[in-house]
Amino acid sequence: QKEVEQNSGPLSVPEGAIASLNCTYSDRGSQSFFWYRQYSGKSPELIMSIYSNGDKEDGRFTAQLNKASQYVSLLIRDSQPSDSATYLCAVNTEANFGNEKLTFGTGTRLTIIP
Amino acid sequence: GAVVSQHPSWVICKSGTSVKIECRSLDFQATTMFWYRQFPKQSLMLMATSNEGSKATYEQGVEKDKFLINHASLTLSTLTVTSAHPEDSSFYICSALRTGAAETQYFGPGTRLLVL
Repeated sequence: QKEVEQNSGPLSVPEGAIASLNCTYSDRGSQSFFWYRQYSGKSPELIMSIYSNGDKEDGRFTAQLNKASQYVSLLIRDSQPSDSATYLCAVNTEANFGNEKLTFGTGTRLTIIP
Repeated sequence: GAVVSQHPSWVICKSGTSVKIECRSLDFQATTMFWYRQFPKQSLMLMATSNEGSKATYEQGVEKDKFLINHASLTLSTLTVTSAHPEDSSFYICSALRTGAAETQYFGPGTRLLVL
């Protein structure tokens, strides 16, 4: 059973539309949640972090966390071709407390269509 | 933002040789760093957790004698792939844990290793 699950995609979204990326996790004790963006051939880059229920906005990005339903999502408004990448959801699960490890999902490949 | 560097960015070596990869946190101190490996079209695989001043913690299935990790200072961790073989060819990525109000991992740019 995977601890962090993401739809692998590919997810295709027209330019200018909203891209919605979802992630579910199994460990109810999880406290920290992260979204990383990874371009092909590059290393992951931190996009957003979220720790409490609700929405957190940063520019065109909004992270949403619902601990009761155990999901975290990332919305990208006004999608641009440069947003085309693989988006990794990462969770600091309760099992990892004390060693600060992150459990990563397999990533969702997003393609923005011009 | 936090900056993490890796050196070299790519390396080609002959089978049987050893390769050292450096990971540096440039603008913050990192007691903890992580080493990942990523094969093409696959997700990140955590290899080990590197702790300053103590032995690294390896994930299950990762040979500690083959992948030597040294975290000698608060800004530098090294990964040495000993007696590299073609199957060790991969993208090696480090991350540094920035602590404070929230703990966040910041990734280096990665090192692409090709063993011939």
